[in-house]
Amino acid sequence: GQNIDQPTEMTATEGAIVQINCTYQTSGFNGLFWYQQHAGEAPTFLSYNVLDGLEEKGRFSSFLSRSKGYSYLLLKELQMKDSASYLCAASGGGGADGLTFGKGTHLIIQP
Amino acid sequence: ETGVTQTPRHLVMGMTNKKSLKCEQHLGHNAMYWYKQSAKKPLELMFVYSLEERVENNSVPSRFSPECPNSSHLFLHLHTLQPEDSALYLCASSQEGGQGISGNTIYFGEGSWLTVV
Repeated sequence: GQNIDQPTEMTATEGAIVQINCTYQTSGFNGLFWYQQHAGEAPTFLSYNVLDGLEEKGRFSSFLSRSKGYSYLLLKELQMKDSASYLCAASGGGGADGLTFGKGTHLIIQP
Repeated sequence: ETGVTQTPRHLVMGMTNKKSLKCEQHLGHNAMYWYKQSAKKPLELMFVYSLEERVENNSVPSRFSPECPNSSHLFLHLHTLQPEDSALYLCASSQEGGQGISGNTIYFGEGSWLTVV
């Protein structure tokens, strides 16, 4: 089976840094994704990790530890527009099997 | 614009109605998906089509019936739905057989908001 856990809600301050954690348990593993979803909109792709380590992309970075079944999304220099839900998703054993998503972390940015 | 277009964006239907959701992808992908998103729940995978063949059905009730006439189009036919089926229905696509990010990344449409009354 598949299980993805992430915090339900987090609050951070504009200009600060926030780390959103995700733990996963999957029967097969072919990568870990992070998506951003603003209210009323579709999820949009942020990052993909399949090897251990940190992937940096501008203000956003994503980390993966396969041995620990753990990932985090790091957001730097927070802006008000970063207020959204952040979805952690794991890809299964290969092929077009879709992704298993966590419930999402609702991130609130305060001035 | 994600390259995946869904219509209608909003749909209200009675429990005895028959309606369909439509999805079209312009990304040249060969796999398409239907996901359901309800409040306070994770995205739930409903159906997967790869090369126009259905490869996964996660025990979805038969009142939901998918159709994939070609690799660019996907439908979700709705019949005798229940109020608890009210949700956001997301279509997505990906390129199966690709490696790494290009092979796994799923791109979503804007979704169809369904309300069953």
